Amino acid sequence: DGGITQSPKYLFRKEGQNVTLSCEQNLNHDAMYWYRQDPGQGLRLIYYSQIVNDFQKGDIAEGYSVSREKKESFPLTVTSAQKNPTAFYLCATMGSPYQPQHFGDGTRLSIL
Amino acid sequence: GQNIDQPTEMTATEGAIVQINCTYQTSGFNGLFWYQQHAGEAPTFLSYNVLDGLEEKGRFSSFLSRSKGYSYLLLKELQMKDSASYLCAVRDTNTGTASKLTFGTGTRLQVTL
Repeated sequence: DGGITQSPKYLFRKEGQNVTLSCEQNLNHDAMYWYRQDPGQGLRLIYYSQIVNDFQKGDIAEGYSVSREKKESFPLTVTSAQKNPTAFYLCATMGSPYQPQHFGDGTRLSIL
Repeated sequence: GQNIDQPTEMTATEGAIVQINCTYQTSGFNGLFWYQQHAGEAPTFLSYNVLDGLEEKGRFSSFLSRSKGYSYLLLKELQMKDSASYLCAVRDTNTGTASKLTFGTGTRLQVTL
């Protein structure tokens, strides 16, 4: 069954801790994206990647890091430098430049 | 950059028609998307416009005027399950295999009996 899998669904972070959100896809899509959504807000782009071993900063990259070692995987690390990490994080993929982006089910991150 | 405006909230009655507007000011434009997002869930794709005019998909239609920087999403025969947020997103000028979307803050639609 093709799709985008994000895990975990819920994640809690302690002060000073780095946490990594997983995004895996079996759609064979080249482009992958990470967005952050705060309550009552739209989606803001954190990082995106066009191909393996390449990624670009989005609008709010500070305090986050990513890697793209495999086409199927685009993990996002929320570092301790991100002072306000509580949000809903969404991973998306796109198969070609004129196709819509499709989203995973999201990870909700909270601070303990 | 991109600036996208949508109304924050709208209310409509079951069975009625509702129009959700989106205006944008962009440095580059290569298409406009509408997504539906139910509370606590991921957005799902509804429609895409790149040329002026109306695109119809069942109960949902979307309109674009590039010269006016304006789009609307039209929902007919409203159902309770249409209660959700509707996100307008503009794609920038494609510069590679990945293109970026800029999202509006979304319009929360409440359908009442």
